Amino acid sequence: QTVVTQEPSLTVSPGGTVTLTCASSTGAVTSGYYPNWFQQRPGQPPRALIYSTSNKHSWTPARFSGSLLGGKAALTLSGVQPEDEAEYYCLLYYGAARLWVFGGGTKLTVL
Amino acid sequence: EVQLVESGGGLVQPGGSLRLSCAASGFTFSSYEMNWVRQAPGKGLEWVSYISSSASSKYYADSVKGRFTISRDNAQNSLYLQMNSLRAEDTAVYYCTRLAGSILNFDYWGQGSLVTVSS
Repeated sequence: QTVVTQEPSLTVSPGGTVTLTCASSTGAVTSGYYPNWFQQRPGQPPRALIYSTSNKHSWTPARFSGSLLGGKAALTLSGVQPEDEAEYYCLLYYGAARLWVFGGGTKLTVL
Repeated sequence: EVQLVESGGGLVQPGGSLRLSCAASGFTFSSYEMNWVRQAPGKGLEWVSYISSSASSKYYADSVKGRFTISRDNAQNSLYLQMNSLRAEDTAVYYCTRLAGSILNFDYWGQGSLVTVSS
């Protein structure tokens, strides 16, 4: 069974920078996994932030960026705002198995 | 404006069936692949199923394979999820999501429909 692992929780100060990561139990994450990142606030549906590793949607704030880092997909928030406090999920595509797998989510606290 | 509106959720007994619908508007539905994603209460997101734009390809998570069937009606701009042999662990909010092309971009999500499996 394929497992995608994220940090369960992270804390960052307002104005600070934080990096969330997304690892695959099958090995290094590459662009071929088409990493997506989503933000979910309580009581709301997920909102797409990043697709295909590093591409932003028209509504994605500039302070969010996606990359590959040390064999993982990464989401970096620079200049964190209080409204960034939320759960963040990554999603990886496993083409050979024809399935997608979400990470367990990272609860980001801005304190 | 892209809109995805799920309906059909509710309370069902274990072993029962339910059909979810997702009404799409604001884009050319027949040109896009679609997915269902679910979220159990207080838990994370779980991908459930995929369907290609023409419905020629369908994929399922192992947890629902053989019990759930995804389908679509491009003339009605609608996506469906037929859920049979429901179990307590299928209790979740079910979201329909649009998938944008070869870059596998899950861009738009509906508000979700709650399915509760309980006796």
